[in-house]
Amino acid sequence: DVKVTQSSRYLVKRTGEKVFLECVQDMDHENMFWYRQDPGLGLRLIYFSYDVKMKEKGDIPEGYSVSREKKERFSLILESASTNQTSMYLCASSHDSPGQGFYNEQFFGPGTRLTVL
Amino acid sequence: AQKITQTQPGMFVQEKEAVTLDCTYDTSDPSYGLFWYKQPSSGEMIFLIYQGSYDQQNATEGRYSLNFQKARKSANLVISASQLGDSAMYFCAMRGSGNTPLVFGKGTRLSVIA
Repeated sequence: DVKVTQSSRYLVKRTGEKVFLECVQDMDHENMFWYRQDPGLGLRLIYFSYDVKMKEKGDIPEGYSVSREKKERFSLILESASTNQTSMYLCASSHDSPGQGFYNEQFFGPGTRLTVL
Repeated sequence: AQKITQTQPGMFVQEKEAVTLDCTYDTSDPSYGLFWYKQPSSGEMIFLIYQGSYDQQNATEGRYSLNFQKARKSANLVISASQLGDSAMYFCAMRGSGNTPLVFGKGTRLSVIA
């Protein structure tokens, strides 16, 4: 079974702190993603990565950065946390399977509920 | 760019009844894939069903079926014989051409009543 783990289920930080959210997948997936989920807004893509040391901006990258030094690990960084970054953060991964057409299921981690005070 | 619209923020259904969750999409890609995910209160995202834009038949997975109407750009999820455990948030998503991430709708919260 594919497993995507996130470093914390719940996290409380103070405004201005630097925050690291870690995501690890164990299925050798090429693609990894960070979303944030807010009530009434669904899942919005922050950043994604197709390979080690590669990153692409999603729809809402402002205030965030990412790091992918190893294939299995994708980190989301909040350089200076703000209260409007209080949210649920979901990491996902998928295999790059051109032969499967568009059936490229994304597997999700359990999420990190971040509160910034 | 892709866009997913789910117009039902919340729905109620009686146990053992069928329910349809609406999803419309917009894309300029000639080929694409459509997905439905379930998110229980515990928070994990569970993949339910997939439909390719060129698939001739509507997808089915157990009690889940996808009512795909390409001309109307709709991909509604039908859950038959609802169970209490079906109470959850449901997200419609799609991906277009290339190795692109899933784009999600805002979700529908389904509540199954005994």
